[in-house]
Amino acid sequence: DTGVSQNPRHKITKRGQNVTFRCDPISEHNRLYWYRQTLGQGPEFLTYFQNEAQLEKSRLLSDRFSAERPKGSFSTLEIQRTEQGDSAMYLCASSPVGAFYNEQFFGPGTRLTVL
Amino acid sequence: SQQGEEDPQALSIQEGENATMNCSYKTSINNLQWYRQNSGRGLVHLILIRSNEREKHSGRLRVTLDTSKKSSSLLITASRAADTASYFCATDGQNFVFGPGTRLSVLP
Repeated sequence: DTGVSQNPRHKITKRGQNVTFRCDPISEHNRLYWYRQTLGQGPEFLTYFQNEAQLEKSRLLSDRFSAERPKGSFSTLEIQRTEQGDSAMYLCASSPVGAFYNEQFFGPGTRLTVL
Repeated sequence: SQQGEEDPQALSIQEGENATMNCSYKTSINNLQWYRQNSGRGLVHLILIRSNEREKHSGRLRVTLDTSKKSSSLLITASRAADTASYFCATDGQNFVFGPGTRLSVLP
């Protein structure tokens, strides 16, 4: 296991379609985070899991967004009825057991383009 | 608004020079972290400094933290072309919050 992986790396979709992204964290990392990053900006926190429990959600996460981590391993982020404003890089990160907000290990991201 | 704000937004230096980036934040923190992001790649953790620490070193990196001024600085000594990247500070306020970053260009 060499790091956090995300699939797909790129996704182009039409407005109104649903999309789903997958994140596989580093094994034994019990914390998993989702962020959104737009060009020229820093990552914006979306949500956070500890094992299978979703413990925190940002106000940025509208009801069109849903994230799951059913078995406490991989996670999915689904965006329903995509809008052009959803175009961004979606980043996943994981961190090991320990104090909250330890070093986070980031995946390469999924770049979403909504036409 | 975001918790962390880096300054300057962009910095261009010659190889071998030192680069200093600053970060200001607004609320109390437990720790502050610096990350680097190369063009088209994911973020890589550089260094973490806890609220009870004032200075930390890692290789060519030196980080300071002044909790009274709610600010931190990242110094990269003897910069290399490979240091060209965006640098972000991240704080653990209400959420884990990144600033907009400093884009560093190191010219050969």
